[in-house]
Amino acid sequence: GENVGLHLPTLSVQEGDNSIINCAYSNSASDYFIWYKQESGKGPQFIIDIRSNMDKRQGQRVTVLLNKTVKHLSLQIAATQPGDSAVYFCAETVSGGYQKVTFGTGTKLQVIP
Amino acid sequence: GAVVSQHPSRVICKSGTSVKIECRSLDFQATTMFWYRQFPKQSLMLMATSNEGSKATYEQGVEKDKFLINHASLTLSTLTVTSAHPEDSSFYICSATRTGSHTDTQYFGPGTRLTVL
Repeated sequence: GENVGLHLPTLSVQEGDNSIINCAYSNSASDYFIWYKQESGKGPQFIIDIRSNMDKRQGQRVTVLLNKTVKHLSLQIAATQPGDSAVYFCAETVSGGYQKVTFGTGTKLQVIP
Repeated sequence: GAVVSQHPSRVICKSGTSVKIECRSLDFQATTMFWYRQFPKQSLMLMATSNEGSKATYEQGVEKDKFLINHASLTLSTLTVTSAHPEDSSFYICSATRTGSHTDTQYFGPGTRLTVL
């Protein structure tokens, strides 16, 4: 079936450096993508989203890039902080009508103080 | 913001008993809620889509008679794990989409840790 996958299961980054988390998706019909952050024992927290009519979207310290040609999504975190340590999931869906969201496998981000 | 709560946050039960988990949207109405299950160090797997006033839609491989879903109001959906067994031990998470919203953003609850002895 369709799936969303990640290249790196664990990413260690020095505090203050930038982090890049990658994601590949396979459903060509997906047109809405979301990044979630999940801390241990908690539910996912929305970080940023992007629609397929955009290539880039910026938030506070985070940027999402979408490359539809190669079905690739990335999350960039600037000046990574210890509080950014968590598991990050990309998710995809077809927008409209409360379509179900498919989650990727997740990347654990470890920030080294 | 859009806040979703779950109750209880943790539950331990004996094998063969039933457990009910509540999911509430606190400051918005949610026509549709979703139930996920997450095993340790794994991703979220959608179990079912809960629609207010109608039957839930279950994903392939999820037993509807074992995981009973009731979405009785626009702010409450419940998941009942019937005749729970140790293999049902997992982290159960619900999410909700704001009714009438022009976006598809799902807001997640804090999760419920179920341990079946």
